[in-house]
Amino acid sequence: QLQLQESGPGLVKPSETLSLSCTVSDDSIRSRSYYWGWIRQPPGKGLEWIGCIYYNGNTYYNPSLKSRVTISATSNNQFSLKVTSVTAADTAVYYCARVVKATTSSDYWGQGTLVTVSS
Amino acid sequence: DIQMTQSPSSVSASVGDRVTITCRASQGIDKWLTWYQQKPGKAPKLLISAASSLESGVPSRFSGSGSGTDFTLTISSLQPEDFATYYCQQANIFPVTFGGGTKVEIK
Repeated sequence: QLQLQESGPGLVKPSETLSLSCTVSDDSIRSRSYYWGWIRQPPGKGLEWIGCIYYNGNTYYNPSLKSRVTISATSNNQFSLKVTSVTAADTAVYYCARVVKATTSSDYWGQGTLVTVSS
Repeated sequence: DIQMTQSPSSVSASVGDRVTITCRASQGIDKWLTWYQQKPGKAPKLLISAASSLESGVPSRFSGSGSGTDFTLTISSLQPEDFATYYCQQANIFPVTFGGGTKVEIK
């Protein structure tokens, strides 16, 4: 059974960089059938697409975050998210997900990790 | 970006009721519309992709329809485990965008 697990600090100071990793079990992020993505959800609010990475390293970012976001593949079963110059507006639950390329639908999700931006 | 508008934002219903949620895209997205269910404190769960394709293991009381700009998620007979928030997502073009969500509450 495929599992995704987010990891990283739960508290980040304003103006610093948020860094998260997603570890994928029972699959490889080198598969051509999937993207590997990040989605976030501020407390009590809706879902926001951050971006995703494809097996060949191509990345697709939300234009509203593009200048501050980097998604990278760090190994065959791990990918990462960096968000620079964070503010309180970046406080959210961050999810990693497997995205089916054929439908751009996220069929497997991590449990999510709350990142709070506060001094 | 393509804007996704869901309605209603919340609905109160009873077990056994038929519930319909609509999602409108700001421009045509062919059939590339996905529906998710999210329960409090949990990650979203994929219900339907490509407007009407039910994911494996999802009960048949859930169905999706539509194409172009207007889409519908229908729960034919609401069950206690269906009380949740539902999100649509356009999957036609990056960036992926989500609707604002519809909360299905117990009447």
